[in-house]
Amino acid sequence: NAGVTQTPKFQVLKTGQSMTLQCAQDMNHEYMSWYRQDPGMGLRLIHYSVGAGITDQGEVPNGYNVSRSTTEDFPLRLLSAAPSQTSVYFCATGTGLPYEQYFGPGTRLTVT
Amino acid sequence: AQSVTQLDSQVPVFEEAPVELRCNYSSSVSVYLFWYVQYPNQGLQLLLKYLSGSTLVKGINGFEAEFNKSQTSFHLRKPSVHISDTAEYFCAVSSEETSGSRLTFGEGTQLTVNP
Repeated sequence: NAGVTQTPKFQVLKTGQSMTLQCAQDMNHEYMSWYRQDPGMGLRLIHYSVGAGITDQGEVPNGYNVSRSTTEDFPLRLLSAAPSQTSVYFCATGTGLPYEQYFGPGTRLTVT
Repeated sequence: AQSVTQLDSQVPVFEEAPVELRCNYSSSVSVYLFWYVQYPNQGLQLLLKYLSGSTLVKGINGFEAEFNKSQTSFHLRKPSVHISDTAEYFCAVSSEETSGSRLTFGEGTQLTVNP
């Protein structure tokens, strides 16, 4: 039972490149979310999904795309990387009560 | 809309001293409140949560928090800290409106325990 897994752990991109951050879960949770963590700003919600086929924007969605074709996977796509997207990205899963979320180990992304 | 404010960005304390990390929230609906801990270069781990019932909530590692609806606060406390408690702590809120599908986080408080 791996919980929430994220790949890669580290990534360096050049400005303008695209890439996909992977998130997978084996807990059968309906909710999945992507957050970015920047110093002094806590975690901010990028996109979230309440079930397969259903996604919605969070607080900072610009420059990112998501899709949810299965319960298990929730990839985050950077369309054209910018230095402002340098951050640590966390994927999280959750369900109804008791409403807590379970976080993956994170992906540290640097855009030069 | 809901928001969370952590009132201290850094809290240095000596080992075995008590500590309080402060968190205020705002929301127009009933809320669920959480404290998460992040050790260096790791993901977030749940410390404790308030959903309903008793306003004093006990969590892991000897931490507890008190929900105060009138003051819209959810402060985290520990009577005696250890070096191993050095970490960043995040307060977060969810609500019935979102059915807990996502969290709004505070900015984080870096707790540093010195010998």
